[in-house]
Amino acid sequence: NAGVTQTPKFQVLKTGQSMTLQCAQDMNHEYMSWYRQDPGMGLRLIHYSVGAGITDQGEVPNGYNVSRSTTEDFPLRLLSAAPSQTSVYFCASSLTSGFSYEQYFGPGTRLTVT
Amino acid sequence: RKEVEQDPGPFNVPEGATVAFNCTYSNSASQSFFWYRQDCRKEPKLLMSVYSSGNEDGRFTAQLNRASQYISLLIRDSKLSDSATYLCVVNVGFSSGGSYIPTFGRGTSLIVHP
Repeated sequence: NAGVTQTPKFQVLKTGQSMTLQCAQDMNHEYMSWYRQDPGMGLRLIHYSVGAGITDQGEVPNGYNVSRSTTEDFPLRLLSAAPSQTSVYFCASSLTSGFSYEQYFGPGTRLTVT
Repeated sequence: RKEVEQDPGPFNVPEGATVAFNCTYSNSASQSFFWYRQDCRKEPKLLMSVYSSGNEDGRFTAQLNRASQYISLLIRDSKLSDSATYLCVVNVGFSSGGSYIPTFGRGTSLIVHP
């Protein structure tokens, strides 16, 4: 199993550009989520999904869109990049049944918006 | 007040020392609790789940105190390789659809020196 994969690893955007961060998992996990991590702020939830066709907002959803057309993929779209979106973005997945809800994270995408 | 709070540290300890971290949470409906480890510029990885009865994994012991709404992590016989940031995670679960909201603390930095 590859686990959770993210592309690209690094990206530089200009203000106003749009792009899609890709996330895929091969563990048949129902729950997928996107976080951003900024220095001193910890991980903050952007959007999450409990299955194909179902998404919901997290703590900091503004400026981001998601969709979930398959169990495996959960792309994050930046509609019009702003310098405030410079961050490290992590995608994660987990089972939703049972007590554990352990999350498995991808390696992250380091995004700089100039 | 942030929902999940941790002392950011850094905790600077010699090899072989015992060190303890606490994490407090504000939502009494929180259902599951975890400690994750994050190495510099890497993705978080599960260290251990935290159960009501407390649990131990080698040199690591986790405790949950629901009445006082905190969880703790004890590391005995610290190794150089334990140097990392330790993230406390608290999940509030919802019964329908398997949805849950994870909230991360900002992390506690541990530095183990020779």
